[in-house]
Amino acid sequence: GENVEQHPSTLSVQEGDSAVIKCTYSDSASNYFPWYKQELGKRPQLIIDIRSNVGEKKDQRIAVTLNKTAKHFSLHITETQPEDSAVYFCAASTGQKVTFGTGTKLQVIP
Amino acid sequence: GAGVSQSPRYKVAKRGQDVALRCDPISGHVSLFWYQQALGQGPEFLTYFQNEAQLDKSGLPSDRFFAERPEGSVSTLKIQRTQQEDSAVYLCASSLARGNTEAFFGQGTRLTVV
Repeated sequence: GENVEQHPSTLSVQEGDSAVIKCTYSDSASNYFPWYKQELGKRPQLIIDIRSNVGEKKDQRIAVTLNKTAKHFSLHITETQPEDSAVYFCAASTGQKVTFGTGTKLQVIP
Repeated sequence: GAGVSQSPRYKVAKRGQDVALRCDPISGHVSLFWYQQALGQGPEFLTYFQNEAQLDKSGLPSDRFFAERPEGSVSTLKIQRTQQEDSAVYLCASSLARGNTEAFFGQGTRLTVV
C-alpha cells in the first residue's frame, strides 16, 4: 500500500521567514496530493492541492511543488505569520484511498 | 447543513461496549471517507464510500469495525466490543465528486474507552 513520509516533524521559524515541509510517497498510482492545516482541537482544512499533471501551484503565500519521478512533493509558505502556526499534513490519493503523512507542527515566532 | 456534521462530539465507552458514530456529509456529496486520528498523529484511512457502495474498507483495523451508508447520504461507523486501543478521534470527510477532489472534514468524534 501507499506510504507517505513527512519531514520535519516540528519546525520553528521567525515571523516573516519561509517554511518548507517535504513529503515522499511510494505508490506511483497516486495522482492527487492535498495539503491540510489542522489547528489544535479543530478539523483538518485543505489549504492547497496539486494533481500529478502539474509540477507547481501557487496561491498567495503558499506554493506546492511535485516531482513525480522522484515521488516527492513540498509545501512552501513565504512571509510566515503567527496565524500560520498549526500542524500541517501532506497526503497522497489514488482517488479512493487517501494516505496522510505524520504531520509537521509549525511554530511561527513573533 | 453547511458542512460535515458528526455526532456525538465526545463519547466515553466502557471496554467491551458497542458504539455507533454518525456522519452527516454535505448534501449531494458522492464520496465519504472515515479516518482514525490518534493523538499527535495524522489521520489514518479506515474506509471509503461512493454513494452507498463501500469501495474500500482496507483500513478497518479489525472485524469489530463496521461502516455503512445505506442510502448514500448519512454514514455510521460502528465499533463492537470496544478496546482501549480504539481511543482516538474519528473523522469523517466528504467530497462532491468521485476521484480526487477537495474533501471537507467534520469536527470528529473523540472516543475514549475506559
